Amino acid sequence: TQLLEQSPQFLSIQEGENLTVYCNSSSVFSSLQWYRQEPGEGPVLLVTVVTGGEVKKLKRLTFQFGDARKDSSLHITAAQPGDTGLYLCAGAWGSQGNLIFGKGTKLSVKP
Amino acid sequence: DVKVTQSSRYLVKRTGEKVFLECVQDMDHENMFWYRQDPGLGLRLIYFSYDVKMKEKGDIPEGYSVSREKKERFSLILESASTNQTSMYLCASSLDRQLDEQYFGPGTRLTVT
Repeated sequence: TQLLEQSPQFLSIQEGENLTVYCNSSSVFSSLQWYRQEPGEGPVLLVTVVTGGEVKKLKRLTFQFGDARKDSSLHITAAQPGDTGLYLCAGAWGSQGNLIFGKGTKLSVKP
Repeated sequence: DVKVTQSSRYLVKRTGEKVFLECVQDMDHENMFWYRQDPGLGLRLIYFSYDVKMKEKGDIPEGYSVSREKKERFSLILESASTNQTSMYLCASSLDRQLDEQYFGPGTRLTVT
């Protein structure tokens, strides 16, 4: 059974701080995606990483896929209150386009 | 932009009622998915479909069924709602099996009393 472990589960920081969220597994994934979900809404896709060692940047967000394609990290620079939300990682496996989701990191950025 | 819509944002039903949750996507995606999301348990896959009239069980199909009569529409059916089916239900779609990026609807918060 594939599992994706996210850490930390909860993170509360002040505006302007930096943070990193981790997503780890013992399984190899063909790709890994990061989503952000606001309360009462569905997850919104932020990025997909496919190649081991790949780094993608989305404004103040930096995503990295581990060399062995088993883990990933999300780094946010100078966090803002608008970054508040639940961050989910999801690994793709198999041939049917299914995803395994981590349980998420709930981020709160206080002004 | 991909748009996935769900028939209701909030729904309150009584135990034993038959409940229909509908999902429509407008981007000609092949794959569609139904998840439920509960605190501490994350997203769990109920059913998915990769073609019209095709369906596959996910991790927690018990108590649910699905219908996909048209490519753009995927319905989740609770045959006899129970209180342990109170949850947030999320529908998602993806282009095809090779491209697994999923696009989610806004969710339906279902309460069964």
